Amino acid sequence: QQQVKQSPQSLIVQKGGISIINCAYENTAFDYFPWYQQFPGKGPALLIAIRPDVSEKKEGRFTISFNKSAKQFSLHIMDSQPGDSATYFCAAALNSGYALNFGKGTSLLVTP
Amino acid sequence: DTEVTQTPKHLVMGMTNKKSLKCEQHMGHRAMYWYKQKAKKPPELMFVYSYEKLSINESVPSRFSPECPNSSLLNLHLHALQPEDSALYLCASSQGPIVDTEAFFGQGTRLTVV
Repeated sequence: QQQVKQSPQSLIVQKGGISIINCAYENTAFDYFPWYQQFPGKGPALLIAIRPDVSEKKEGRFTISFNKSAKQFSLHIMDSQPGDSATYFCAAALNSGYALNFGKGTSLLVTP
Repeated sequence: DTEVTQTPKHLVMGMTNKKSLKCEQHMGHRAMYWYKQKAKKPPELMFVYSYEKLSINESVPSRFSPECPNSSLLNLHLHALQPEDSALYLCASSQGPIVDTEAFFGQGTRLTVV
């Protein structure tokens, strides 16, 4: 059972545009929501993460928006660049837990 | 050093072979993980070691046998695998529970079972 639902499955954005990826979860006990970026042939790398007591977190061009009541969170990539082309996974984890529950991933292509 | 090193990078093995995947980190992390990732799918957690003790086994078949010889090393012993076990096997480590510390992933071992 997929505990975190992610959309869209794939996304094409022009350089300079905004990329938006959405995730939804059911388990209200989740306490940690990271986003991972994975390039082909590489392992995932943590991009940015948020906890439910914060509604938004920004790091450079990357912003997480979190809506606790709707049980949704999203990643916004501003001024998208071709180098951002990768697969993005949202995830959720329980407090003091070790398991990351991943979404199915979004393949992002940023065209020049 | 924020690196998790996995060897080998690629492995082809027959269904009757025995092989091992190795993972090493020198960040002083006390939690280490094995994940399996099929093409165009998210990583699936297989095992978690916390302080060198197996703390999570996600109902993985016994043909996969993890071992944590010390706090820096993690092995995955493979025996009598099936072609459907072909995947990217990722090792990761973190200082502690995932909500408190970042998990660092290795580049993975691309396993092909023939």
